[in-house]
Amino acid sequence: GENVEQHPSTLSVQEGDSAVIKCTYSDSASNYFPWYKQELGKRPQLIIDIRSNVGEKKDQRIAVTLNKTAKHFSLHITETQPEDSAVYFCAAAEYNFNKFYFGSGTKLNVKP
Amino acid sequence: KAGVTQTPRYLIKTRGQQVTLSCSPISGHRSVSWYQQTPGQGLQFLFEYFSETQRNKGNFPGRFSGRQFSNSRSEMNVSTLELGDSALYLCASMGQGDVSENYGYTFGSGTRLTVV
Repeated sequence: GENVEQHPSTLSVQEGDSAVIKCTYSDSASNYFPWYKQELGKRPQLIIDIRSNVGEKKDQRIAVTLNKTAKHFSLHITETQPEDSAVYFCAAAEYNFNKFYFGSGTKLNVKP
Repeated sequence: KAGVTQTPRYLIKTRGQQVTLSCSPISGHRSVSWYQQTPGQGLQFLFEYFSETQRNKGNFPGRFSGRQFSNSRSEMNVSTLELGDSALYLCASMGQGDVSENYGYTFGSGTRLTVV
């Protein structure tokens, strides 16, 4: 089965700096890669996703890049703000095959 | 539209008991998945139901089971509870993946199960 590894497990940045979280996957059949943000005591929420037919996707301060050859994808957050503090999960799945494999999570702390 | 609703929010059970958790997906979503979230193991897939049929299954023992009703509401059952079953159980619904719609899970707020 698929194995998703996520690094780092914790990340502390100063407000305004950039943050990068990296994930690797093992199954070349995976073609859909979402990122979820989970604030303390709340549900995970989808913040951005990418399908394997593109290499990069941006949404305001958030971007995701995908390298299919190397089987890794990354989340980039620019101009971080205290409200970005949360746990971020990456996942890999086959599109329309609803079984997601999640990374272990990255706890991001943005210091004001 | 209304989100994914899970009930109850909190449960405390004793070892050996059984428990049933409920999930109502977003209207129109026919796929409902269940995940177990623990600090040590992260988010682990339990199973997925689509149109009342279990379509995918994770690597959990047979004590964990589920079902889906014709209105897409789903229930998850855990029998003979163990201390290690203490976790946040998340339900997630998903649409059909049309290009006009965000593909991906919408999670419920979860049921926090504590086994004592």
